[in-house]
Amino acid sequence: NAGVTQTPKFQVLKTGQSMTLQCAQDMNHNSMYWYRQDPGMGLRLIYYSASEGTTDKGEVPNGYNVSRLNKREFSLRLESAAPSQTSVYFCASTERGTGQRSNQPQHFGDGTRLSIL
Amino acid sequence: AQRVTQPEKLLSVFKGAPVELKCNYSYSGSPELFWYVQYSRQRLQLLLRHISRESIKGFTADLNKGETSFHLKKPFAQEEDSAMYYCALNRTNAGGTSYGKLTFGQGTILTVHP
Repeated sequence: NAGVTQTPKFQVLKTGQSMTLQCAQDMNHNSMYWYRQDPGMGLRLIYYSASEGTTDKGEVPNGYNVSRLNKREFSLRLESAAPSQTSVYFCASTERGTGQRSNQPQHFGDGTRLSIL
Repeated sequence: AQRVTQPEKLLSVFKGAPVELKCNYSYSGSPELFWYVQYSRQRLQLLLRHISRESIKGFTADLNKGETSFHLKKPFAQEEDSAMYYCALNRTNAGGTSYGKLTFGQGTILTVHP
């Protein structure tokens, strides 16, 4: 099993360009998440999807949009990239993130290293 | 609002020495606490969670609600423990159901020297 797969692994953009980061999981998980990782800031939640058909904002949603295409896929879009969005982006999934006493671990992808010039 | 603080960005110890990675949280409700680890060139993965009261790879962590802490400890560090460690909090409501969103600390890079 691949678990959580993110594409691309690396990307360089110019300010103002747009792009979509792709994420897919093969574990039949209900909940999916997008984080960004910055030095000294830890991981911060951008958006999450508790289940197929739902999405909600996290801690730092500005400048991003998401789409839960189906149960497997959860994409993150930067409409007009800015240098402040230079970061490492992680996608994660868990069996069920809400609605119960949730002890399930989140499974992470390898990350996408994004640089915006 | 909830917050997780890991006061040490970097922690260095020698092999065989005890190690403690500190984690403090602020949350007025009933928290679930986790430790995640990212080894070099590997994915971020769960190390342990407070509710399981387990020991993984020799690490333990006890939730101290009075001190709002969840420190990670290991009595004898090994070189393979060198990694980035994140403490994370999952909020639950009064009924014990999860909000499903993790709040991470800033992370601590542990280096174990031979």
